[in-house]
Amino acid sequence: GAGVSQSPSNKVTEKGKDVELRCDPISGHTALYWYRQRLGQGLEFLIYFQGNSAPDKSGLPSDRFSAERTGESVSTLTIQRTQQEDSAVYLCASSLVTGTGNTIYFGEGSWLTVV
Amino acid sequence: QQQVKQSPQSLIVQKGGIPIINCAYENTAFDYFPWYQQFPGKGPALLIAIRPDVSEKKEGRFTISFNKSAKQFSLHIMDSQPGDSATYFCAANGGSARQLTFGSGTQLTVLP
Repeated sequence: GAGVSQSPSNKVTEKGKDVELRCDPISGHTALYWYRQRLGQGLEFLIYFQGNSAPDKSGLPSDRFSAERTGESVSTLTIQRTQQEDSAVYLCASSLVTGTGNTIYFGEGSWLTVV
Repeated sequence: QQQVKQSPQSLIVQKGGIPIINCAYENTAFDYFPWYQQFPGKGPALLIAIRPDVSEKKEGRFTISFNKSAKQFSLHIMDSQPGDSATYFCAANGGSARQLTFGSGTQLTVLP
């Protein structure tokens, strides 16, 4: 597609439920990132994927968070046993390659509300 | 080492004013410093970026000033317009840090 596509755009879930958030990166982009943005705050790095290399999971806040990527295409971020503190916008981004100087393009995010 | 500190948290200027947003970093391996603009309900979009081999970069009304020795960089918006009202994030990466580290954001309001 023309840009990074994320779904769902909005998700309300009950505390304790699992949620899956999907990201379709820009076609041809080998690098894919997930960030979390709490209301009125900055962007918190979660995980990135680069081609077939092992993902950098250093930003995942707990073992309730996991992500997968199929080849160089779609990615799914899964949050198990959601907590109210997980409420945030989850932003996916992609770039041609990792490394400095490569423009990172963001999707519009998936707004997660845990009630 | 990975932190990027941004100030002010919010800024209000009159139309035509020149808002200035400042960022400071600690990791000397950082060598790429972009600024992102985010409108409500949208993802951040790249506005302008600089590398430390230059002290200033201009693109239209947006200018980045970079001070390598002080490990600081700033965004200036010339002749600001109400349409510039948004949240601005500075960021950095480089060295072993492949992902961008973002500042906490500045909410800019340009009054008509």
